[in-house]
Amino acid sequence: AQSVTQLGSHVSVSEGALVLLRCNYSSSVPPYLFWYVQYPNQGLQLLLKYTTGATLVKGINGFEAEFKKSETSFHLTKPSAHMSDAAEYFCAVSDRDGNNRKLIWGLGTSLAVNP
Amino acid sequence: NAGVTQTPKFQVLKTGQSMTLQCAQDMNHEYMSWYRQDPGMGLRLIHYSVGAGITDQGEVPNGYNVSRSTTEDFPLRLLSAAPSQTSVYFCASSRTGGGYTFGSGTRLTVV
Repeated sequence: AQSVTQLGSHVSVSEGALVLLRCNYSSSVPPYLFWYVQYPNQGLQLLLKYTTGATLVKGINGFEAEFKKSETSFHLTKPSAHMSDAAEYFCAVSDRDGNNRKLIWGLGTSLAVNP
Repeated sequence: NAGVTQTPKFQVLKTGQSMTLQCAQDMNHEYMSWYRQDPGMGLRLIHYSVGAGITDQGEVPNGYNVSRSTTEDFPLRLLSAAPSQTSVYFCASSRTGGGYTFGSGTRLTVV
């Protein structure tokens, strides 16, 4: 069965510093990969996704993620953190079978940005 | 487009009461799902649907029913509310190959 591991339930960075949120998955074949962000008291919003093609994926708000098959990883990065980036971030994967759209979710990483 | 609309946003129920959480999407997405979100437990799938007339159970289906009579609507019914069902509930929809679009959630408290 697939699983998703997000290393670090809480990450704290200074404003302007690099943001790195880690996500590893277990799957026998490369899945579809997603990062979502959840601001307080709101629903989840898609940041970016990898389905096929270029392994470096750019998303909204300056975030990007790189799919590394050999490492089964899909880490999320942003060169310079803003205060507005403080939120909960979720990594998720789904099977490539078009009939199976269930997502497997990580438990989330809470990002704090310090002034 | 409104996206995914969930109602109500907040609800307090007494133990044993029943209610329906509404979810509607206007994007013609074939796939819809219901999640509950609890602290420290991430998102857990309750039920999902791959199209009108087709539903299936997720990982925590007990105490909940769903139906999908149209592409647009996917209501979640709580049959007999229990305090363990106190949670935030999210509805989401997607099309094949796309990411999910989430509703803004329903915060449910069962007393």
